[in-house]
Amino acid sequence: DVKVTQSSRYLVKRTGEKVFLECVQDMDHENMFWYRQDPGLGLRLIYFSYDVKMKEKGDIPEGYSVSREKKERFSLILESASTNQTSMYLCASSLGGGRPYNEQFFGPGTRLTVL
Amino acid sequence: DAKTTQPTSMDCAEGRAANLPCNHSTISGNEYVYWYRQIHSQGPQYIIHGLKNNETNEMASLIITEDRKSSTLILPHATLRDTAVYYCIVRVSGTSYGKLTFGQGTILTVHP
Repeated sequence: DVKVTQSSRYLVKRTGEKVFLECVQDMDHENMFWYRQDPGLGLRLIYFSYDVKMKEKGDIPEGYSVSREKKERFSLILESASTNQTSMYLCASSLGGGRPYNEQFFGPGTRLTVL
Repeated sequence: DAKTTQPTSMDCAEGRAANLPCNHSTISGNEYVYWYRQIHSQGPQYIIHGLKNNETNEMASLIITEDRKSSTLILPHATLRDTAVYYCIVRVSGTSYGKLTFGQGTILTVHP
């Protein structure tokens, strides 16, 4: 059974703290993604990675960075958390190029609250 | 990627078919239609995809009009567990490393 796991379901941090959100997939997928989801705004792509050490900005990368040192792991980093980064964060993965379609598998999400 | 339009919400009685429409009038010839759903407090889940032919799997059927400007997702016998937000997404396959752009989706509520 395919699986994408995220390090925490709920997280509470203070403004200015450095925050790490971890995502691990066991499907040997090349692509990994970080989204955030907010009421009325839907899912928005923050960053994605198509290979180890490779990354691309999504639609809202400001205030975030990512790290992909191993194929199965993709980390989202908030260098200095702010209250407007309170959100649900979703990680996803998919197989790489050459396929006619790209089904994405999502993790359960991390609900981050920044106080 | 083409923009999609979906109704904000729909209701369905348990055991009946749920038909969820999606308009994508600006779709290009090489763009696929994908459907995902998101049950409360979970991550989105892939349902089905298609290019121009109708498709069916164990979860649902996808009907794409001949001009490809609209499609309908059909859940043949809706259950209470099908209550979720359903997203219709149109994108070119094999580009942008599989990046998906989610809209607002349709909130489907299945009633007993």
